[in-house]
Amino acid sequence: DQQVKQNSPSLSVQEGRISILNCDYTNSMFDYFLWYKKYPAEGPTFLISISSIKDKNEDGRFTVFLNKSAKHLSLHIVPSQPGDSAVYFCAASANAGGTSYGKLTFGQGTILTVHP
Amino acid sequence: GAVVSQHPSWVICKSGTSVKIECRSLDFQATTMFWYRQFPKQSLMLMATSNEGSKATYEQGVEKDKFLINHASLTLSTLTVTSAHPEDSSFYICSAGDMRQPQHFGDGTRLSIL
Repeated sequence: DQQVKQNSPSLSVQEGRISILNCDYTNSMFDYFLWYKKYPAEGPTFLISISSIKDKNEDGRFTVFLNKSAKHLSLHIVPSQPGDSAVYFCAASANAGGTSYGKLTFGQGTILTVHP
Repeated sequence: GAVVSQHPSWVICKSGTSVKIECRSLDFQATTMFWYRQFPKQSLMLMATSNEGSKATYEQGVEKDKFLINHASLTLSTLTVTSAHPEDSSFYICSAGDMRQPQHFGDGTRLSIL
């Protein structure tokens, strides 16, 4: 039972354009969501997070949007840069009081390629 | 930012041997550490949650006698794969967290059992 789904295995974007990565979830108990970036043979690197009490969180070029009614979140990267090319995972946590203290459930990942 | 160190990064050993992987939080006290496993082109699957000073909580389907977890201090957790076999070959990743910051991950351990 895949509770967190990233339905796009890959995304290709031109440098300078916007990258939009999508994530859907099924567990209504999730109250904290995170995006991680991962390079091959390395562990995931935390990018940005959002609590279920918010619908948007922004940090520099990265913005995460949360639509609780649709159980959908997205990560926007603008402008995209070649160094952003990596695998992006969304993750969710339940009953963690709005923190990532609880265990994380990961999506399958989306490979982002940003072309110069 | 917070740093989690995982060692070794790569290990190859013969079938039947036991392998220990260490996970250290370098600049914060990790009340909780998590161990994940990742198969090629798949997501990270949580194996167990480790709380300092108490027994680990294993996810369904994970053999606790196979994957021994010890969290003896607030900065160190270890995963021992006992009597490893080729099917245990995988990428193992730990993460550490506390109440104030998102989980931070180690760089993983590539385990290959011959």
